[in-house]
Amino acid sequence: KAGVTQTPRYLIKTRGQQVTLSCSPISGHRSVSWYQQTPGQGLQFLFEYFSETQRNKGNFPGRFSGRQFSNSRSEMNVSTLELGDSALYLCASSLQGPYQETQYFGPGTRLLVL
Amino acid sequence: DQQVKQNSPSLSVQEGRISILNCDYTNSMFDYFLWYKKYPAEGPTFLISISSIKDKNEDGRFTVFLNKSAKHLSLHIVPSQPGDSAVYFCAASAVGGATNKLIFGTGTLLAVQP
Repeated sequence: KAGVTQTPRYLIKTRGQQVTLSCSPISGHRSVSWYQQTPGQGLQFLFEYFSETQRNKGNFPGRFSGRQFSNSRSEMNVSTLELGDSALYLCASSLQGPYQETQYFGPGTRLLVL
Repeated sequence: DQQVKQNSPSLSVQEGRISILNCDYTNSMFDYFLWYKKYPAEGPTFLISISSIKDKNEDGRFTVFLNKSAKHLSLHIVPSQPGDSAVYFCAASAVGGATNKLIFGTGTLLAVQP
């Protein structure tokens, strides 16, 4: 079974631009969560989607948004990029959701904002 | 506020000895805990989990201990191997409103010296 895939793997943008990251979950998984990893901050929860609905959201500004498609693939968008948005963005999938289930992570998208 | 804390950013251990990684949490609603391991340029991979109805869970060389009264969990690796060198994250989740997300600690970098 193929794992979680994320595209692109690396991205360089400039301040003020916007970016869209993509995540394809493991086949059959309906829950997709997104996390931001920065040095010293660990993994910060962004949002979780299940069956095209956002079920939970972390403490990030409205510039961070996401969506999920009927095939469970998910995208996240960051508008008006800031230098502080430079991070590793990870998505994770599971069958029904993060609670008491193992989440399987993709390799991440490394975003650098200049 | 950091609800899950890993106060040791790094740990160095000799091969064959025990590695003990610690994690503290503040939210008494957390009832399911996990440890993930992360190598550079890869996404985190699930290691072991424990429910709050238990105080110990063992899987091969890995054992997780949970002390609910102290809101503390620890991961023991015995014996430690050089391939265990990675960043270890503990994570917690709760039933109810916070069901659909995992709260991660900031990680501990484990270096196992040959």
